[in-house]
Amino acid sequence: GENVEQHPSTLSVQEGDSAVIKCTYSDSASNYFPWYKQELGKGPQLIIDIRSNVGEKKDQRIAVTLNKTAKHFSLHITETQPEDSAVYFCAASSWGFGNEKLTFGTGTRLTIIP
Amino acid sequence: EAGVTQSPTHLIKTRGQQATLRCSPISGHTSVYWYQQALGLGLQFLLWYDEGEERNRGNFPPRFSGRQFPNYSSELNVNALELEDSALYLCASSLALEASSTDTQYFGPGTRLTVL
Repeated sequence: GENVEQHPSTLSVQEGDSAVIKCTYSDSASNYFPWYKQELGKGPQLIIDIRSNVGEKKDQRIAVTLNKTAKHFSLHITETQPEDSAVYFCAASSWGFGNEKLTFGTGTRLTIIP
Repeated sequence: EAGVTQSPTHLIKTRGQQATLRCSPISGHTSVYWYQQALGLGLQFLLWYDEGEERNRGNFPPRFSGRQFPNYSSELNVNALELEDSALYLCASSLALEASSTDTQYFGPGTRLTVL
């Protein structure tokens, strides 16, 4: 089955600087890669996603890159703000193969230092 | 538009009892997924229901079961509760397979189950 590894487990960044979180996956059939943000006491919130036919996607301060050959994808947050502090999860799914479930990484606790 | 809703918010049970957790998907969504988020273990896939049928199951014992109703809401049942079942149980919903080109799932706030 799919295995998703996520690094780092914790990340502290000065406000205004950039943060990068990296994930690798094992199943070459995976074709959908979402990123979720989870704040304390809440469910995960989808912040950006990318399909395997796209190499990069950007939404304001957030961007995701995908390298299918190397089987890794990354989340980039620029101009970080205190409200970016949360736990971030990457996930992978092989949609359309009857295996529509998300396999999650272990999470990165991002702390923005004012 | 209302998001995914779950009830109850918190549930306290004792070992050996049964727990029932409920989920209402986003309007128009027909697929419901259940995940377990235990402390320090990340999110683990439990079950996937689509159009009233169980489509996929994670690596959990049979005492974890569920169902999906005609209105697409869903129920997760955990029988013979064990201490290690204490976790946040998250429900997510997505569009029907034929209506979507991705596995985009939207999560509810979760039910915190504590087994004493």
